[in-house]
Amino acid sequence: EDQVTQSPEALRLQEGESSSLNCSYTVSGLRGLFWYRQDPGKGPEFLFTLYSAGEEKEKERLKATLTKKESFLHITAPKPEDSATYLCAPKRDTDKLIFGTGTRLQVFP
Amino acid sequence: DTGVSQDPRHKITKRGQNVTFRCDPISEHNRLYWYRQTLGQGPEFLTYFQNEAQLEKSRLLSDRFSAERPKGSFSTLEIQRTEQGDSAMYLCASSLDIYEQYFGPGTRLTVT
Repeated sequence: EDQVTQSPEALRLQEGESSSLNCSYTVSGLRGLFWYRQDPGKGPEFLFTLYSAGEEKEKERLKATLTKKESFLHITAPKPEDSATYLCAPKRDTDKLIFGTGTRLQVFP
Repeated sequence: DTGVSQDPRHKITKRGQNVTFRCDPISEHNRLYWYRQTLGQGPEFLTYFQNEAQLEKSRLLSDRFSAERPKGSFSTLEIQRTEQGDSAMYLCASSLDIYEQYFGPGTRLTVT
């Protein structure tokens, strides 16, 4: 059975304090892994797609990496506006996304 | 460049009533997806269309749920005889072929 686990469930950071979020998965027929950001009451906002182990992608203060069993979202020198829930979603060969429960990030000034 | 739009944004209904939600995908996106999200959880896949064909349905989609995408453009999701357990955020996403799925703002359903 497909499983996606995100850790930690919640993370509180001081502004400028770098950290990493983890997404571990067991998904058969993996065809990519997506990262989204979601603000309260809104739909998920697309951040990255990673297709193969060893791949890395960056966007502003965020960098996503992928191995065969997990993905990391590194946040460098975060700002309060980075506060949100971050969702990872492996994609199977059937095209549907399998979401984790997310990491709720709070960045304090 | 307009994104995915959903209507209504909020819906409050009484148990047993039928509701219908609409999703307009990004122009030229041939794939359209419906997900459901409850508080504290990630979105759960419900169904998806490639053009007008419904290609996959989750077992979460009971007989009370039906989705359509006539002419491969907008889509509707209908829930018949709503139950309190149907209260959730219903999210629509679209993509061009197998690439990134872009989500709309969602429709929040409250069943009283």
